[in-house]
Order: sequence, then structure tokens, then C-alpha cells
Amino acid sequence: SQQGEEDPQALSIQEGENATMNCSYKTSINNLQWYRQNSGRGLVHLILIRSNEREKHSGRLRVTLDTSKKSSSLLITASRAADTASYFCATAPYGGATNKLIFGTGTLLAVQP
Amino acid sequence: DAGITQSPRHKVTETGTPVTLRCHQTENHRYMYWYRQDPGHGLRLIHYSYGVKDTDKGEVSDGYSVSRSKTEDFLLTLESATSSQTSVYFCAISSRDRGPETQYFGPGTRLLVL
Repeated sequence: SQQGEEDPQALSIQEGENATMNCSYKTSINNLQWYRQNSGRGLVHLILIRSNEREKHSGRLRVTLDTSKKSSSLLITASRAADTASYFCATAPYGGATNKLIFGTGTLLAVQP
Repeated sequence: DAGITQSPRHKVTETGTPVTLRCHQTENHRYMYWYRQDPGHGLRLIHYSYGVKDTDKGEVSDGYSVSRSKTEDFLLTLESATSSQTSVYFCAISSRDRGPETQYFGPGTRLLVL
């Protein structure tokens, strides 16, 4: 069963603009992570936010978590052409193993130079 | 890069044949995972391992088996390949010292079943 659904499915912006993508999930979670995947490559971990956290920053990344709405957002500020990739959220459902992740279907981000 | 390699990187096989994919890690991580990635489905967990000879099923385990006889190698076997198993397969690891929830992925294996 798919836990996370990203929105939008695809996003195209100009270099320097901010990119926001959203993830909604169905059941309570222990934590939520965001991963990036460049074309033809494996996934790369970006950031993890726990269920008792509301916001987290890492460089140009800002992640928010709203457990009441079962949703998260990933904001990439001042985007660069190198940010072009697919972005996936992954959740660890509450009550399960925290390393048994369920991935969403991803948002494809294209940053135009 | 968590020292993960996958072999082969590409494979074409025929329906009904057995196929084994190998994941090799060099950093003694405890947890290893096999996922498949298909358009419209994201990544789905096939099997995972939490130690030598300790494995468990994931979401889409039917038609797959795994073995882990030593820490560094996690093998995924398609017992009798079907066209529905055409996919990109990713191995991942995680460890207690880096946080077991955070996973590090290999480069993937593209499998085509004709």
C-alpha cells in the first residue's frame, strides 16, 4: 500500500526560484524523510524529521511536518540547475520498525538555467 | 557513498529463468534492503535483513527470496523470472551508528525479463 503521495507530480521552475513539494500520508508515523534521486542513480538521503518536530532546516532545504494534517512539505530555496531530480518522501509508520520505510511516488523537479 | 555495489548493473533474461542479484557493502552495516522501483509506484520494499541469516519480508516479496550468509553480501533471487519483475532493483543499507532509519542506496540494477 502506498503511504506517501507527493504533489505536484512534476514541477518546472527557473534557476534562483524556490521550489515547494508536498507529501501526504495515511497513517501515523514515527518519522518522515526526504530523498533525492538523480536520473539513473540511487536515492540520496536529504533530511529526516521526527513526529514530534514541526520544522527542520539543512542548508537550502526546509522541511515542515503537520501531523494533524498528515502532511509534510520540502522547500528548496534559491534553486540551481543541479537540483534537477526526483524527490521522494518516505515514512516510517507508527508502531512498525523505524527502518521499514514506505516511499511515495515522487515529484520530478526541473530547474531551468 | 556508503560503499555499496550492485551486480550486475544490467541484465536481460527470459521468462522462467532464475536470476540472482548481488548487493555488496564494505562498511559492516547491520541492515540491508532490497527495493524495486517502477513508474507510478515509487520504491517498494521486497525483503530486508537485520543481520546474518536474519531476513524478513517486505511489501512485495512474492516471487523473490533472499539470503545473507555474511555481513557484506545480500542476495536477491528471482526463482522463476516473470515479465512483471522487469524493474530497477535497488539495494540499501542502514546502520545503528548513522541512525537505522536513514538509508543509503546502491546504484541500482536494471532487469529486463523477456
